[in-house]
Amino acid sequence: IAGITQAPTSQILAAGRRMTLRCTQDMRHNAMYWYRQDLGLGLRLIHYSNTAGTTGKGEVPDGYSVSRANTDDFPLTLASAVPSQTSVYFCASSALAGDDADTQYFGPGTRLTVL
Amino acid sequence: KNQVEQSPQSLIILEGKNCTLQCNYTVSPFSNLRWYKQDTGRGPVSLTIMTFSENTKSNGRYTATLDADTKQSSLHITASQLSDSASYICVGPPSGNTPLVFGKGTRLSVIA
Repeated sequence: IAGITQAPTSQILAAGRRMTLRCTQDMRHNAMYWYRQDLGLGLRLIHYSNTAGTTGKGEVPDGYSVSRANTDDFPLTLASAVPSQTSVYFCASSALAGDDADTQYFGPGTRLTVL
Repeated sequence: KNQVEQSPQSLIILEGKNCTLQCNYTVSPFSNLRWYKQDTGRGPVSLTIMTFSENTKSNGRYTATLDADTKQSSLHITASQLSDSASYICVGPPSGNTPLVFGKGTRLSVIA
């Protein structure tokens, strides 16, 4: 692994189903983030985590949950998907200190369609 | 609420031409401003970061400027190439529980 990876690349999901988007980074970054990106709205923060064991709510957290059991992994769960959650989801990570502090490195994204 | 506004929303230019993208921000306190490039179907990638003490910073054919008095930043692309076709996103520092404040981006299309 080099950098940050996401899985799956894309998914079509029936409304009401549960779905977990996976995100893994190998840069030993403390902080990780989940965004959704919709046409005309830009990137919006869903949840974030500044260190393993802690999480926080972003701008649009409703309908989503996250966990941060270790430094490398930050899964995003949709407990009961709805069509309005159709979007492209990006995971990102950043160091909290040092010369590169706060520069976020993004994964390739997951395109999710909820029908 | 801190905000980042970008213009134009989209832009089409001929290969080899120069262009300038604009970013206005209302961020307090101000610490830094970033520009990201996002190719179609990929995640954003950091191009440059500017602190309040920097007026201009270059990264190859990309030059970012910052005017802290007018709270404006611009990204100038010189001798554009087809590979410059992407969305360019201006990003402000943290606001409340938002680690970074993202603009909606300018979609640049470079055509032959």
